[in-house]
Amino acid sequence: GNSVTQMEGPVTLSEEAFLTINCTYTATGYPSLFWYVQYPGEGLQLLLKATKADDKGSNKGFEATYRKETTSFHLEKGSVQVSDSAVYFCALIGGGSNYKLTFGKGTLLTVNP
Amino acid sequence: DTEVTQTPKHLVMGMTNKKSLKCEQHMGHRAMYWYKQKAKKPPELMFVYSYEKLSINESVPSRFSPECPNSSLLNLHLHALQPEDSALYLCASSDHRKSYEQYFGPGTRLTVT
Repeated sequence: GNSVTQMEGPVTLSEEAFLTINCTYTATGYPSLFWYVQYPGEGLQLLLKATKADDKGSNKGFEATYRKETTSFHLEKGSVQVSDSAVYFCALIGGGSNYKLTFGKGTLLTVNP
Repeated sequence: DTEVTQTPKHLVMGMTNKKSLKCEQHMGHRAMYWYKQKAKKPPELMFVYSYEKLSINESVPSRFSPECPNSSLLNLHLHALQPEDSALYLCASSDHRKSYEQYFGPGTRLTVT
């Protein structure tokens, strides 16, 4: 079956630091890959996506590249802000189902001023 | 517009009560989902509706009863819940004919006393 492994954290950074959250996956076929963000007390927001190998998803300064050779989709941001403090979930869909999102366990990011 | 709305935002109910959660989207999506999320965990899929028909039931107890009255609305009827059912209930939708990303609502925070 499908699975997603992401660094669990928590991750604590100072404002303007570089962020990397690692995500690797196992899936059959060619899954679509996503990063979702959940701010405290809110639902999940789609942050970015990639649907095929070598695609780069980007949004709000965050980027992730679909690497099929390493089955990875690491999230990066060059300069984090306090407002980026949230839980980040790596997820995939595919491998036989167009409906079932497989999530990683989530990474709590705290950015201090 | 990628908005999914949910009501109520908070709900407290006793174990003998009957209540309903509501979800609405106007994006023309034909797949709608209910998820349950416990603290510090990723969302867990409960139900999937595709074209207003129940497509997936992830072995959810019968005290949770979903309903899809039309393509824009999704309800979750609750009856005889247990304290361990306290969680954040998230609704999501997707246009799985085009792409697979799911858009989430803000959730209903349910407390069972």
